[in-house]
Amino acid sequence: ENVLTQSPDTLSLSPGERATLSCRASETVYTSLAWYQQKPGQSPRLLIFDASRRASGIPARFSGSGSGTDFTLTISSLEPEDFAVYFCQHRSNWLGTFGQGTRLEIK
Amino acid sequence: QVQLVQSGPEVKEPGDSVRISCKASGYTFSSYYLHWVRQAPGQGLEWVGVINPSDGSVSYAQKFQGRVTLTRSPSTSTVHMDLSSLRSDDTAVYYCARDLTAVTSFWLDPWGQGALVTVSS
Repeated sequence: ENVLTQSPDTLSLSPGERATLSCRASETVYTSLAWYQQKPGQSPRLLIFDASRRASGIPARFSGSGSGTDFTLTISSLEPEDFAVYFCQHRSNWLGTFGQGTRLEIK
Repeated sequence: QVQLVQSGPEVKEPGDSVRISCKASGYTFSSYYLHWVRQAPGQGLEWVGVINPSDGSVSYAQKFQGRVTLTRSPSTSTVHMDLSSLRSDDTAVYYCARDLTAVTSFWLDPWGQGALVTVSS
C-alpha cells in the first residue's frame, strides 16, 4: 500500500505570507496526485489534480508541483480564507489514498 | 449545476447496518464514477470505495471489504452505500463525491454535503 505522509502537521503563518505544504509518497505515484482544501464544517474542495493542474475556479495563488514521491502545494500569498486543512490524495489500482492532512492556521 | 445531495444523519447501535444515499443532478448520471469517503470526528479523510453508475461495477478499500456494498438506481440517479456490522469507530461523516472526469480519474469534484453516522449503544 502506498502511504502518503504530509508535513508539517500544522503550519502557522500570517496573511500575505507564502505557504509551502509537502506530501511524500512511500512509492512513486508519477504525477497522480491531487490536493484538497477543507474548511470547518464544509466538504472538501478539489484544488489541484495531476500534481500541478488547477481545478476550475481555483485562484492562481494556489499551485502544485512535484513528481515521483515528493510533492508541494504552494499558496503564494495567503488570504484570510485560505486558513484550513489541506489533504493530498493518490489513486492507484482502483484504490484511493489520502494523506493525514496539514492544518494551516493563522499565526 | 452539478449537485450531490445526501440523505440525512443516522444514529445506529453496534452491530446494525446503515444505508446512505446520494442523489445526483445536473449531469448524465451514468457517465461519471461516484466515490465514497468518510471522516471520523476530528480526523482525516478515508477512501471507502467507488461505483461505476453505468454498469454497477465497484471497487472497495480492503479495510471495508465484506462490510460495504455500493449500489445504484439509474432511474433516480442515486447511489447507495450500505455498511454492515457497525462499530463505534464507524462513527463518521460519510461523503459521496463525483469523479472529476468522464474517463475516471479518481479526482473528486464535486462533493456531497456529507451524512453523519453515529454508532452508539
